[in-house]
Amino acid sequence: DADVTQTPRNRITKTGKRIMLECSQTKGHDRMYWYRQDPGLGLRLIYYSFDVKDINKGEISDGYSVSRQAQAKFSLSLESAIPNQTALYFCATSDLERESDEQFFGPGTRLTVL
Amino acid sequence: GQNIDQPTEMTATEGAIVQINCTYQTSGFNGLFWYQQHAGEAPTFLSYNVLDGLEEKGRFSSFLSRSKGYSYLLLKELQMKDSASYLCAYMDSNYQLIWGAGTKLIIKP
Repeated sequence: DADVTQTPRNRITKTGKRIMLECSQTKGHDRMYWYRQDPGLGLRLIYYSFDVKDINKGEISDGYSVSRQAQAKFSLSLESAIPNQTALYFCATSDLERESDEQFFGPGTRLTVL
Repeated sequence: GQNIDQPTEMTATEGAIVQINCTYQTSGFNGLFWYQQHAGEAPTFLSYNVLDGLEEKGRFSSFLSRSKGYSYLLLKELQMKDSASYLCAYMDSNYQLIWGAGTKLIIKP
């Protein structure tokens, strides 16, 4: 079974709709992240959380919100989707105890906003 | 600022060696990462350098020079399955990863 899962894997929605992307992990990691990936651009950090009570804005948080419901769950919401939020979204986790703090990624959610 | 650069695309031959370069500029630095990403899939961790020098891991090696803001990923004995994008990222003073746009590596028989 995958250690980091994302639902849905694909979503097509219309402008103005509220969308929630969910991420769950069984790795027991405290740190969780949400990124978006666009063609020709690097991964960009939207929000991150270092534990259940900690939420931090990343580089491009405008238009997004998050909820850390439990250590294992971190959800990303688009309150009113717009076409330029069409992208591939990744959730990731990392373990502070590892020297490298390498991140483990979920399979991604491909979101299209019409 | 957040400046990190790597070539957009490279082509190499099966069985050969290829070096993918990455340069960065940052006032705070906590390590340099390389990830591999096959088309349509999630990035997967390849290597981490925090001190200057070469880290070898099987067919893959990664080098870092902090004074020059420079890293490279060296892939030896290339196989067709190595066709992928290779992402360079540095960890800044806030322990956030700043990512390059990735280098698409095409392997030809």
